[in-house]
Amino acid sequence: NAGVTQTPKFRILKIGQSMTLQCTQDMNHNYMYWYRQDPGMGLKLIYYSVGAGITDKGEVPNGYNVSRSTTEDFPLRLELAAPSQTSVYFCASSWKGRDNNEQFFGPGTRLTVL
Amino acid sequence: GQNIDQPTEMTATEGAIVQINCTYQTSGFNGLFWYQQHAGEAPTFLSYNVLDGLEEKGRFSSFLSRSKGYSYLLLKELQMKDSASYLCAAVDSNYQLIWGAGTKLIIKP
Repeated sequence: NAGVTQTPKFRILKIGQSMTLQCTQDMNHNYMYWYRQDPGMGLKLIYYSVGAGITDKGEVPNGYNVSRSTTEDFPLRLELAAPSQTSVYFCASSWKGRDNNEQFFGPGTRLTVL
Repeated sequence: GQNIDQPTEMTATEGAIVQINCTYQTSGFNGLFWYQQHAGEAPTFLSYNVLDGLEEKGRFSSFLSRSKGYSYLLLKELQMKDSASYLCAAVDSNYQLIWGAGTKLIIKP
């Protein structure tokens, strides 16, 4: 099992550009999450999904969009990139959203917006 | 509001014991996680507590007091590879994880 994979690992964007961060998991997890982590800060939830076709906003959704057409994939779309979106983005998945819903993380995407 | 507090940084000596504290205030409570995050890497799961008491797992133990809104992670026989950030995360009433900013642990020889 590859677990949770993310692409790209690094990206530099210019202000106003758009991009999609890819996330795939092969553990048949129903829950998937997108977080951002700024230096010295905790993880902030951007969006999450409880299953294919179902997504919901987290704490910091503005400037982002997601879709979940399959169990495996949960891409994150940035429209009109801004310097405030410079961060490390982690995708995670878990088997269920209750009880011990240990989250498994991908390696992260380091995004810089200039 | 919801809040997780943990120290920003701690220093300990190789072979010693260190305790990392975490206090939480959440709307509802459904458990508490500890994750380890090495610099430049993703967080990895260490422990989960939902009932009061101590959970021991090798050199690492985690304690929870629900009435005090308090947890700690205890690391014994510290090794250089334990140098990392340790993230505390509480599960709220919607089963979302509320994350602390992390405690950077520096191990000195």
